[in-house]
Amino acid sequence: AQKVTQAQTEISVVEKEDVTLDCVYETRDTTYYLFWYKQPPSGELVFLIRRNSFDEQNEISGRYSWNFQKSTSSFNFTITASQVVDSAVYFCALSEDGTSGSRLTFGEGTQLTVNP
Amino acid sequence: EPEVTQTPSHQVTQMGQEVILRCVPISNHLYFYWYRQILGQKVEFLVSFYNNEISEKSEIFDDQFSVERPDGSNFTLKIRSTKLEDSAMYFCASSEGGGTGNEQFFGPGTRLTVL
Repeated sequence: AQKVTQAQTEISVVEKEDVTLDCVYETRDTTYYLFWYKQPPSGELVFLIRRNSFDEQNEISGRYSWNFQKSTSSFNFTITASQVVDSAVYFCALSEDGTSGSRLTFGEGTQLTVNP
Repeated sequence: EPEVTQTPSHQVTQMGQEVILRCVPISNHLYFYWYRQILGQKVEFLVSFYNNEISEKSEIFDDQFSVERPDGSNFTLKIRSTKLEDSAMYFCASSEGGGTGNEQFFGPGTRLTVL
């Protein structure tokens, strides 16, 4: 069975600090996708990024970067120069191979608070 | 930009009552989902739906729950006899394809409060 673990329940930083959110996953499949979603205080789920299991190339997009390592089953997410608007709950999610609709398995979420 | 919509945004009901949560997926999407998030907890998969039938359901999705696509645009989740523990945010999502990598677009959620 698939499982996603986000060990950090809460992180608090001061604006402009860099922060890394950890995600560890478990799956028996060789084909899978990993996602990060952001849930601001307003409650909606905002898609941030998806990576497939065959693409370990790390990526930078503006202030966001992702570090995917299959060897350690980790998919960590870093925000550089954090801002108050980054305050939200961040969820890591896993999707395994499926053809008739693939369920997302979410981690417990990490509450990020960025203080001015 | 197309988006998933959900109504109502907040539903308050008495225990034992039936509720229907409504969703309008993105128009060219073929796969539909419901997820649940109890306050302060993680988002949990309930059910996926394709070609007018359930593709997969979780252990949470028991006989009290049902889903339907009554017309070409709406996708509904019915809870037959609500319990206190059904209080949660319910998210609808849709995707164009059903494979693993297809992005699921989430609606804004319906907050269900069972008294």
